[in-house]
Parts: sequence; structure tokens; C-alpha cells
Amino acid sequence: SQTIHQWPATLVQPVGSPLSLECTVEGTSNPNLYWYRQAAGRGLQLLFYSVGIGQISSEVPQNLSASRPQDRQFILSSKKLLLSDSGFYLCAWRRPVEVGYTFGSGTRLTVV
Amino acid sequence: GDSVTQMEGPVTLSEEAFLTINCTYTATGYPSLFWYVQYPGEGLQLLLKATKADDKGSNKGFEATYRKETTSFHLEKGSVQVSDSAVYFCALSDIGNTPLVFGKGTRLSVIA
Repeated sequence: SQTIHQWPATLVQPVGSPLSLECTVEGTSNPNLYWYRQAAGRGLQLLFYSVGIGQISSEVPQNLSASRPQDRQFILSSKKLLLSDSGFYLCAWRRPVEVGYTFGSGTRLTVV
Repeated sequence: GDSVTQMEGPVTLSEEAFLTINCTYTATGYPSLFWYVQYPGEGLQLLLKATKADDKGSNKGFEATYRKETTSFHLEKGSVQVSDSAVYFCALSDIGNTPLVFGKGTRLSVIA
């Protein structure tokens, strides 16, 4: 069966520090991968998605970046965090022929 | 572009009350429609889906019918429980690899 792993579950980082959040999918190949952010009390904002290794589409220009170094690995990064980067970050995947997503359990990031 | 509009929350109900959360959509094609649920501190879980007009998705006592004529996919449950307290997201998926489009979410609180 397929599983998705996200880590860490929680993170507290100072302003200006770097960030690296990792997401991996097991049990499938060539998944479509997605990063969303959910600010407190708000909806889901699509940040990045990828349909293959090295292919990244950015939905919102900001100080975040994403990379897909391996088929089932999706990394969200920042060189310098801002207070406004605080939120709940969710990774999701789906097979290219399917329509629905499976979400990871999320990372709660607090920038202080 | 595609969009999803769902009723503003929060919605507060007493246990065993009837629930309706409205969702309407705009899409260029014939999308698949979804309801996701997010329990406190967790990622999103697929609750139900419908892939074509007049389909009814159902799960855990929740139902939603894909109404093409009214472009709607309202979520209903006949008798809510305290454990149904969560945020509910309506979403659509159009053709190809395009990401899911989510509504802003509706927070449901059920009190005993």
C-alpha cells in the first residue's frame, strides 16, 4: 500500500533561519506531488507542485522554494524565514491518472 | 479559472442535528468533486467523492450529490456527533495534472 511521510511534525524557528521540510511517498512511482500551506484559521494555499523529477511549478512567488531530487521525495526550503511563513504545511500526492489526493499529516511551523 | 465556493463558518450544531454545508463550483470542463475533512492538528482526509453528474458520494453517514445543473456538491449528514467537529473542505479536480482547487473550508463544531 502507499504511504506518505512528512517530517518534522512541529518546528519552531527564528526569523532569518533556513528551513527544510521533507515529504516522501512509498509504494508508488512517478507520483504528482504538492505542497500546500494553511495559515491559522484560513484555507489551503497551493505553493508548489511537481509532475516529475526536477519539474517544479510555483504558484505563489515568495521566499520559499521546492525541489524534487528523487522520484518520491519532495522538499520545501527557505534560505531566510519570515514571520509570515508560520503555518501548517501539508504535502500531498496522487497518481497521474487519478483525481483525488492523499495528504500527509502536516508540519506546524512557528517562526519566532 | 476553476473555483470552489463554500459557505462561511463556523457552524455550530447540537448533537443529532441535521447538517448541510453548501458548496458550489465553477469549472470549464467536467470536474470530479470531493469533500475533505481535517480534524484538529491533522492533515486532510478524503471524506467522499463523485466523478460525474448525479453521482452520490457517501461515507461515515455523510452524503453529497454531484448536481451539474446547479453546479453544486452540498455535504449533508442526518445526525451529527461531537466527533464530527472538524474543518470541511470542498474541492474539485479538472482535467490532466492540474492541482485540486479547494474551497476556503467550513469549521463545524458539534456540542453535546
